[in-house]
Amino acid sequence: GAGVSQSPSNKVTEKGKDVELRCDPISGHTALYWYRQSLGQGLEFLIYFQGNSAPDKSGLPSDRFSAERTGGSVSTLTIQRTQQEDSAVYLCASSLWLSGGTFARYQETQYFGPGTRLLVL
Amino acid sequence: KNEVEQSPQNLTAQEGEFITINCSYSVGISALHWLQQHPGGGIVSLFMLSSGKKKHGRLIATINIQEKHSSLHITASHPRDSAVYICAVRSTTGNQFYFGTGTSLTVIP
Repeated sequence: GAGVSQSPSNKVTEKGKDVELRCDPISGHTALYWYRQSLGQGLEFLIYFQGNSAPDKSGLPSDRFSAERTGGSVSTLTIQRTQQEDSAVYLCASSLWLSGGTFARYQETQYFGPGTRLLVL
Repeated sequence: KNEVEQSPQNLTAQEGEFITINCSYSVGISALHWLQQHPGGGIVSLFMLSSGKKKHGRLIATINIQEKHSSLHITASHPRDSAVYICAVRSTTGNQFYFGTGTSLTVIP
């Protein structure tokens, strides 16, 4: 079946413009994550959606960043008034929660999308 | 302060060598993931661990919860194993994932 898809694959924008990045998770996956990977840096957690629960926005770097997930499926990450330091690869991942397990309340494997490379000039 | 530390940062090996990448973490975790990022940027989840050991082909991952340490082993390494290997942990206190900075592996034919 189809994996996680993201669009656009590349985006070049001018400083101050708004951008929207889209993520289509694997069908049936209830959990969706957004991450950012800046050049030469490690992955950075941004935001997490799980089912109909309120999203965990603790990783968003500023109030210029927002994300929504409509109908529990597609998610859009919006960056307003982009800055040059926003240039990075934005990765989306989805996973299926399983109940039970000897160590934790849940188990999950995350499936990553190919990412959107954002360049802010 | 990094919640997840990996070592080594860079590793070059000859084809066929046994490789070990280490990951130490400082937070309480519900699961630990090993990820592989290819030169083109795509990320693949290799393992998710909460205890013990898992094996998939030439890859073996172990975790010691008491010592807060995990290792990823590659047996009979091959040039196609060349990639960045990333350790990630999910905190028990929230939905946060913390990532190591990755180990860049190059396997020379």
